Amino acid sequence: GAGVSQSPSNKVTEKGKDVELRCDPISGHTALYWYRQSLGQGLEFLIYFQGNSAPDKSGLPSDRFSAERTGGSVSTLTIQRTQQEDSAVYLCASSLIDRGFSQPQHFGDGTRLSIL
Amino acid sequence: EDKVVQSPLSLVVHEGDTVTLNCSYEVTNFRSLLWYKQEKKAPTFLFMLTSSGIEKKSGRLSSILDKKELFSILNITATQTGDSAVYLCAVAQVFGNEKLTFGTGTRLTIIP
Repeated sequence: GAGVSQSPSNKVTEKGKDVELRCDPISGHTALYWYRQSLGQGLEFLIYFQGNSAPDKSGLPSDRFSAERTGGSVSTLTIQRTQQEDSAVYLCASSLIDRGFSQPQHFGDGTRLSIL
Repeated sequence: EDKVVQSPLSLVVHEGDTVTLNCSYEVTNFRSLLWYKQEKKAPTFLFMLTSSGIEKKSGRLSSILDKKELFSILNITATQTGDSAVYLCAVAQVFGNEKLTFGTGTRLTIIP
């Protein structure tokens, strides 16, 4: 597609429920990233995919968070048993890898997650 | 711990003024520094800097990196109301650790 596409754009759910957030990267971008942006905070790295594998999951805040990527394209971020502190905007980005180096990351509009 | 610090946190100026936004960093295995503009939703890419002392320019925006002193500046000349946004600075580390470490941003407001 023309840009990074994320869905849903907004999600409101009750504490304790599971949520799935989807990211469709720019066509041809092999690298995909998830970040979280809480109110008044900078973007916080969650996980990075190269193809379908995740060499760096260091930013996932707890084992309630998981992510997968299939077919080298679409990725889903799953949060189980949501807590109020999970409320944030979840941003996805993708980039090309050129001669072993990541080119600038391009971001989607994010999913605003609100936990009641 | 890797750290990116931006200043000022917020800035209010009149249309036509020139502004300078600052970004300092302390990270291991530095590879590049990136600037993004965030208006309502998606951060949009402005510049990527890898070499010291080489200015990158796009219209009224320009940026330069100092790898010895570990900082970068973003200049905007002849500001317009459309420049109002949060400007984010991020640092990328060497291949194998492709995450970006972001600062908290500078909120720029341009008064007509």
